[in-house]
Amino acid sequence: GENVEQHPSTLSVQEGDSAVIKCTYSDSASNYFPWYKQELGKGPQLIIDIRSNVGEKKDQRIAVTLNKTAKHFSLHITETQPEDSAVYFCAARGGSYIPTFGRGTSLIVHP
Amino acid sequence: EADIYQTPRYLVIGTGKKITLECSQTMGHDKMYWYQQDPGMELHLIHYSYGVNSTEKGDLSSESTVSRIRTEHFPLTLESARPSHTSQYLCASSELEGANSPLHFGNGTRLTVT
Repeated sequence: GENVEQHPSTLSVQEGDSAVIKCTYSDSASNYFPWYKQELGKGPQLIIDIRSNVGEKKDQRIAVTLNKTAKHFSLHITETQPEDSAVYFCAARGGSYIPTFGRGTSLIVHP
Repeated sequence: EADIYQTPRYLVIGTGKKITLECSQTMGHDKMYWYQQDPGMELHLIHYSYGVNSTEKGDLSSESTVSRIRTEHFPLTLESARPSHTSQYLCASSELEGANSPLHFGNGTRLTVT
């Protein structure tokens, strides 16, 4: 089955800095890669996603890049703000339509 | 904004009690999921369903059971709760197929078994 590794588990940055979270996957059949943000007391919410036929996607301060050859994808957050503090999950989904999640990254943005 | 609801939000019960965690969605999604989230953040899939009368076990072995009699409703039941069941339980739904079908999560039920 699919295996998704996510790093780092904890990321601490100063407000205004950039943050990068990286994930690798094992199943070359995976073709959909969403990222979720989980705030305290809430369920994870989709923030951005990318399909395997696209190398990069951007939405305001967040962007995702995908390298299919190397089987890794990354989340980039620029100009971080305190409200970006949350747990972030990457996921990969292939033919089974059951997504496999990374273990999560706790992002802390210090004012 | 996703329309998926979980009740109760918090539940404290004694060992041996039977409990049902409720999950409902109004989006008409065929697929529904239950995840257990440990304090270390990791999400563990315990049950999922492709549609009415379909239920499957997930990656993490669980003593809970689920049913899917209606599309919008996917309750999870523990026949006899134990302290080891203390956790956060998250319900989610998604479209059955489609190029981009992310999961929509509820806000979870935090269960404490004393």
